Amino acid sequence: GQQLNQSPQSMFIQEGEDVSMNCTSSSIFNTWLWYKQDPGEGPVLLIALYKAGELTSNGRLTAQFGITRKDSFLNISASIPSDVGIYFCAGLVNNDMRFGAGTRLTVKP
Amino acid sequence: DTGVSQNPRHKITKRGQNVTFRCDPISEHNRLYWYRQTLGQGPEFLTYFQNEAQLEKSRLLSDRFSAERPKGSFSTLEIQRTEQGDSAMYLCASSGQGGTEAFFGQGTRLTVV
Repeated sequence: GQQLNQSPQSMFIQEGEDVSMNCTSSSIFNTWLWYKQDPGEGPVLLIALYKAGELTSNGRLTAQFGITRKDSFLNISASIPSDVGIYFCAGLVNNDMRFGAGTRLTVKP
Repeated sequence: DTGVSQNPRHKITKRGQNVTFRCDPISEHNRLYWYRQTLGQGPEFLTYFQNEAQLEKSRLLSDRFSAERPKGSFSTLEIQRTEQGDSAMYLCASSGQGGTEAFFGQGTRLTVV
């Protein structure tokens, strides 16, 4: 089963709003990855984080690798309709990659 | 297209039949993962290969499931005597020598009727 706790489970926001979601674990990871998945498709990698405390941006997306190595968050600024989808965090240690249950994002125009 | 490729995209099978899925990873990637995903859940780890060696198998992988990567390139996942509970999206991912960023294929959606 899942070893990562991802929250919130779902979000309904207005276009233009900022979004924040996070992932926590009782285990330490060496890498945190954030993916977005559209219906019927495989997850697409958004951001990869490699060092504790690292803050990385990819366009309107910003993610941070928690200092304790047990958590990470993803922020999306100025949301647009195409941000709709399910966002997954994944923690990686020694080639073992585990996923959260996902955050379903709905953006209302 | 140099991404991860999975075939078929969709498979409908009768209960009790055997099915086989194929994954072609990104060509220079030596690590290959199989995951299963059911509706509303994140991907669940099934098995992992480094080159042709299968290094880890989840307890989710019952004896009806077998995966191979004979030449360290493409991989196959076979499910024997399928059950309705096997209905899911089967995802393949690959990563390079550093073993960090993993890239997924589009998945194979299996429906057992």
